[in-house]
Amino acid sequence: AQTVTQSQPEMSVQEAETVTLSCTYDTSENNYYLFWYKQPPSRQMILVIRQEAYKQQNATENRFSVNFQKAAKSFSLKISDSQLGDTAMYFCAFMKTRTYNFNKFYFGSGTKLNVKP
Amino acid sequence: GAVVSQHPSWVICKSGTSVKIECRSLDFQATTMFWYRQFPKQSLMLMATSNEGSKATYEQGVEKDKFLINHASLTLSTLTVTSAHPEDSSFYICSARRRLNTEAFFGQGTRLTVV
Repeated sequence: AQTVTQSQPEMSVQEAETVTLSCTYDTSENNYYLFWYKQPPSRQMILVIRQEAYKQQNATENRFSVNFQKAAKSFSLKISDSQLGDTAMYFCAFMKTRTYNFNKFYFGSGTKLNVKP
Repeated sequence: GAVVSQHPSWVICKSGTSVKIECRSLDFQATTMFWYRQFPKQSLMLMATSNEGSKATYEQGVEKDKFLINHASLTLSTLTVTSAHPEDSSFYICSARRRLNTEAFFGQGTRLTVV
């Protein structure tokens, strides 16, 4: 079974600073996808960034980047120049690439990020 | 971008009644839809997965007869909570995915309160 672990229940960062959220996962799969989703107070889930396991290059999306370490099964999210609007719950998620099981997500327990002015 | 609309956003119902939650993909065909339950300050718990035209696949521990899922078309899935009880009060979220696409798009969620 796949498990996703987020060891930081809550984190705080000053506006404009950089913060890194940790995520580790356990799988026997070789090909898979990893995601970071953001859930602000509105509770709408929003995709932040996506990484394909077969790609060695770390994904980046503007101020968001990941450090993907496949051998270590680690997938951390770095947020640069933090903004107040980044305050949210952040969920790390894993998805197999096989077609069975409808490619469901396995979510971590979440990290609550507070950006302070 | 792809939009998933969930309705209603919140609902209060009496214990013993049934309530239906709709999940619509507004601008794409959703071949697969997922239903989640989220307790306060917790992660999303997958309840079931449905493909258009097929019966839903329920996760272990989820009562099929209590949580009825119908995926009748490529743009609509419904979750019906039957004979609701206070312990069914929760936040329910749907998500939808296109065929052969990895990204899942989420609805805004439905807060169900059973009194």
